[in-house]
Amino acid sequence: EVQLVESGGGLVQPGGSLRLSCAASGFTFSNYWMTWIRQAPGKGLEWVANINQDGNEKYYVDSVKGRFTISRDNAKNSQHLQMNSLRVEDTAVYYCVRAGSGRNVGSFNMWGQGTVVTVSS
Amino acid sequence: DIQMTQSPSSLSASVGDRITITCRASQGINSYLAWFQQKPGKAPKSLIYAASILQSGVPSKFSGSGSGTDFTLTIYSLQPEDSATYYCQQYNYYPLTFGQGTRLEIK
Repeated sequence: EVQLVESGGGLVQPGGSLRLSCAASGFTFSNYWMTWIRQAPGKGLEWVANINQDGNEKYYVDSVKGRFTISRDNAKNSQHLQMNSLRVEDTAVYYCVRAGSGRNVGSFNMWGQGTVVTVSS
Repeated sequence: DIQMTQSPSSLSASVGDRITITCRASQGINSYLAWFQQKPGKAPKSLIYAASILQSGVPSKFSGSGSGTDFTLTIYSLQPEDSATYYCQQYNYYPLTFGQGTRLEIK
């Protein structure tokens, strides 16, 4: 079965850190760009970051640059999001998402179930 | 950043109806436009990419069109299970950006 399973969410105080993980299965992970997308409570979708197949090309939304780091381990079919200096406004469900291919790497075709990150004192 | 504006923000329609949701980009994005469906408490589901190409397994009742700045998502023969929020998303430029969503209610 093709799936993405996130883990690592939780409650953290402002200024704290969390590391999200996403385990991929059922497809050749190393062939795909991967993405993190978040959704604050009651709000819309926000793209956070993505990473290319071998991990040497990464992009971030401005609001997380310098605080979040996306990475991947193709040997373990996993990607990660290291989140430092967390702010209240980072509170959201974080989705692990597989990107499209070729000219459509900015589109998304498979989503995990999400992991909840709550930043609060 | 590219602003994506959807209209309407919400709509109500009846079973069997056809509806159209519009998405407008603040500048041209060629055909690098995707559509997603999200039901309450669930992860989004990818429907369409490249403005008009259905993702694998998506029924043909969903149809996308447009290029440049103006795009539409049409849903034919509405059923109760189509009740959801629909989002458009551009991927011609970073940062990748989404519309604010359109909530569809089936009467």
